[in-house]
Amino acid sequence: GAVVSQHPSWVICKSGTSVKIECRSLDFQATTMFWYRQFPKQSLMLMATSNEGSKATYEQGVEKDKFLINHASLTLSTLTVTSAHPEDSSFYICSARDLAARSGANVLTFGAGSRLTVL
Amino acid sequence: DAKTTQPTSMDCAEGRAANLPCNHSTISGNEYVYWYRQIHSQGPQYIIHGLKNNETNEMASLIITEDRKSSTLILPHATLRDTAVYYCIVRVGSNFGNEKLTFGTGTRLTIIP
Repeated sequence: GAVVSQHPSWVICKSGTSVKIECRSLDFQATTMFWYRQFPKQSLMLMATSNEGSKATYEQGVEKDKFLINHASLTLSTLTVTSAHPEDSSFYICSARDLAARSGANVLTFGAGSRLTVL
Repeated sequence: DAKTTQPTSMDCAEGRAANLPCNHSTISGNEYVYWYRQIHSQGPQYIIHGLKNNETNEMASLIITEDRKSSTLILPHATLRDTAVYYCIVRVGSNFGNEKLTFGTGTRLTIIP
């Protein structure tokens, strides 16, 4: 089945630095990937939709200059948290859909997540 | 998208069937019912989806009422590994892959030994 890989699975960084998280679809191509953020004991919150070859679409309230998204190929999207601060500490999860499977339904495959801790 | 209502939490004894309800009274005709679960500190996992008919796969069964205003996810023989937050999501289907899924608060299912 479809597999989405995220890297790194966890990262600790100093305040003010930037962190890049990669999301790869391993056995399928994804023109669209989705980035979610999850704080402790809360549900997933959609941050942005990553579109291959074009600009990402950000949800209301998400700073596009803070969270840079690049979808350079059909199998890779990256999320860069720029000038990270402790309040950016969270669980970041990406997802994608295998268009070749389950035609007509909107089934997403999720990565295992990347836990960011900003000191 | 149609809103869904789920109980905040449920317990189920190990080995018994876990029945998780979901209300989606404003569902429209072209919207599917999807179920995902999230085990602690992992990404969500797809379980099952359906449009009108009941569905079954290796993980679970999905029972959708005739009026489609509610559904029940059934885990036939719950194990400790089924402890997770279960999300019921209603969304239109698509062949384009760019339709986002919005997660509610879900049901925290705890399997009791």
